Amino acid sequence: DTGVSQDPRHKITKRGQNVTFRCDPISEHNRLYWYRQTLGQGPEFLTYFQNEAQLEKSRLLSDRFSAERPKGSFSTLEIQRTEQGDSAMYLCASSPLGQGYGYTFGSGTRLTVV
Amino acid sequence: QKEVEQNSGPLSVPEGAIASLNCTYSDRGSQSFFWYRQYSGKSPELIMSIYSNGDKEDGRFTAQLNKASQYVSLLIRDSQPSDSATYLCAVRPNNNDMRFGAGTRLTVKP
Repeated sequence: DTGVSQDPRHKITKRGQNVTFRCDPISEHNRLYWYRQTLGQGPEFLTYFQNEAQLEKSRLLSDRFSAERPKGSFSTLEIQRTEQGDSAMYLCASSPLGQGYGYTFGSGTRLTVV
Repeated sequence: QKEVEQNSGPLSVPEGAIASLNCTYSDRGSQSFFWYRQYSGKSPELIMSIYSNGDKEDGRFTAQLNKASQYVSLLIRDSQPSDSATYLCAVRPNNNDMRFGAGTRLTVKP
């Protein structure tokens, strides 16, 4: 297993464009999480899936953000009509089911909105 | 009040010294606690987890938990320049998502 993979590593987009990121979790992990991190801050929770079900979505997540995990495997995070404030590192993580497990993070996708 | 608060740092220690990183959390029902290390430009890497009051040691790292005081700490003994990174405290208040502090930047000077 190669760990959690994220694609692309970097994305530069113009304001108003839509972007989509992909995450491939560790295959045995039921849980998949999306976080956003800006400079000098810790990761901020966006949403998570257990298998294919999206179980929680942050109140901070606007309607421009949507995530899917079809068939409980890879996940995509789409941002519509990007704004400069969306510029951040988008981190995907996965874990087995159970409160005692830590997360394994992917390398992240750095989004720059110009 | 933030859910997870860490001493803001930056923290600088000489090589070979003990580095002490602190964290408090607001949800008294939290059961799982984690420390992550994040090198500049990289993603967080899990280094320690702790669930019970007391100390847990793993090599040069010791995590300490005091649920009554809602306090978690991480001690790094014999600090090395390669330990220079941002350390993130994370708390799992339930069986759902994990909440992170803003991190403490540690610099170990040779």
